[in-house]
Amino acid sequence: EVQLLESGGGLVQPGGSLRLSCAASGFTFITYGMTWVRQAPGRGLEWVSTISGSGTTIYYADSVKGRFIISRDNSKNTLSLQMNTLRAEDTAIYYCARDRRNGHGDNWFDPWGQGTLVTVSS
Amino acid sequence: EIVLTQSPATLSLSPGERATLSCRASQSVSNYLAWYQQKPGQAPRLLIYDASNRATGIPARFSGSGSGTDFTLTISSLEAEDFAVYFCQQRSIWPRTFGQGTKVEMK
Repeated sequence: EVQLLESGGGLVQPGGSLRLSCAASGFTFITYGMTWVRQAPGRGLEWVSTISGSGTTIYYADSVKGRFIISRDNSKNTLSLQMNTLRAEDTAIYYCARDRRNGHGDNWFDPWGQGTLVTVSS
Repeated sequence: EIVLTQSPATLSLSPGERATLSCRASQSVSNYLAWYQQKPGQAPRLLIYDASNRATGIPARFSGSGSGTDFTLTISSLEAEDFAVYFCQQRSIWPRTFGQGTKVEMK
């Protein structure tokens, strides 16, 4: 069974940093692109960042570019999101999601983890 | 950036009724559009990809259509578990974008 389990969320002050992790199991991790999507409380979905299976191709939303870093450790089946210079508007549930298809994935998000809440507040 | 506009914002229907949800793109996305369902307190779930293909395990009452800029998600006969929020998403260009969602609520 495919499983994605996020961790690392919590309360952080504006300007602070936080590192999220997503532990993957049940599939050949290195063959799938992975993505972070966030959802502010009571709001819609916002794509944050995508990384290819090899880790060589990365994309970021403009809202996080220069502040967030996506990475993966294929030896540990783990996806990470290093979040720096956090702002109040970064407050959201952060979901990791896998590409629906492996190889040259189609970047449809399936499945998703259960999410981890990040709250940026003083 | 491609803006996806969903309508209506809320759809009030009864079980057994047909639901028709719309997603309009600010420029053509070809058929690179997906639909997701999200229930309260849960992560989104992929329903439809490439505009009209049902994801694994999705019941046949869910169907998608459209291409270019206009897309529709149809639920042929609503069941109790279908009352949720539905989002569309494009993968035509970066950045990936989502619509703002349509809530299907019980009348």
